[in-house]
Amino acid sequence: QSALTQPASVSGSPGQSITISCTGTSSDVGSYDYVSWYQVLPGKAPQLLIYDVSTRPSGISSRFSGSKSGNTASLTISGLLPEDEADYYCTSYTTTNTHVFGIGTKVTVL
Amino acid sequence: QVQLVQSGAEVKKPGASVKVSCNVSGHPLSELSMHWVRQAPGKGLEWMGNFDLEEDQRVYAQRFEGRLSMTEAPSANTAYLELRRLRSEDTAVYYCATGEFVPGYYMDVWGKGTTVIV
Repeated sequence: QSALTQPASVSGSPGQSITISCTGTSSDVGSYDYVSWYQVLPGKAPQLLIYDVSTRPSGISSRFSGSKSGNTASLTISGLLPEDEADYYCTSYTTTNTHVFGIGTKVTVL
Repeated sequence: QVQLVQSGAEVKKPGASVKVSCNVSGHPLSELSMHWVRQAPGKGLEWMGNFDLEEDQRVYAQRFEGRLSMTEAPSANTAYLELRRLRSEDTAVYYCATGEFVPGYYMDVWGKGTTVIV
């Protein structure tokens, strides 16, 4: 199972919106709506931001939103804040009952 | 509230095995889908396996088949990950993670991680 494809880096200025793509195949992203997104701050455990493609867990800011079309999922961060600077990973359930992470995207707030 | 407490750091020689524990408090382990994820230095997150409650089976990432075992001790409410025939590339932080307020496919509760150095 190959890692899902994400851009290595995305940047934006405070207040702007950015979108991170996550491209898989018909064996993972394209087959299920079991797509999630995690934020990883340096030295910290990952935090779940989005699950079931577009659902935010309790306590997660509405600035984070998710969507999916075909084999590609996306995470949008609106109103970018300095504290959003982190690594972001998508993940998907697969047709072999496994899970696969994306390669990760480093978000820089300019 | 589910909390996951992992065992301490390990230093192993190549070819050896390591066993990491993850003690669960706040919920019976038997009702949780426990995932194991690792992150090597400077690398991304890598899903290793989980106990799939719906399928009632342990599922391992293919690249770890034959080297990885996930077990549970229900009486101690503790999950274990054992990785055998260690290689330098196995140097990483190993996390246990589970879903408390989300479906078992997802992980909203994470341990602090166990550093394994090979």
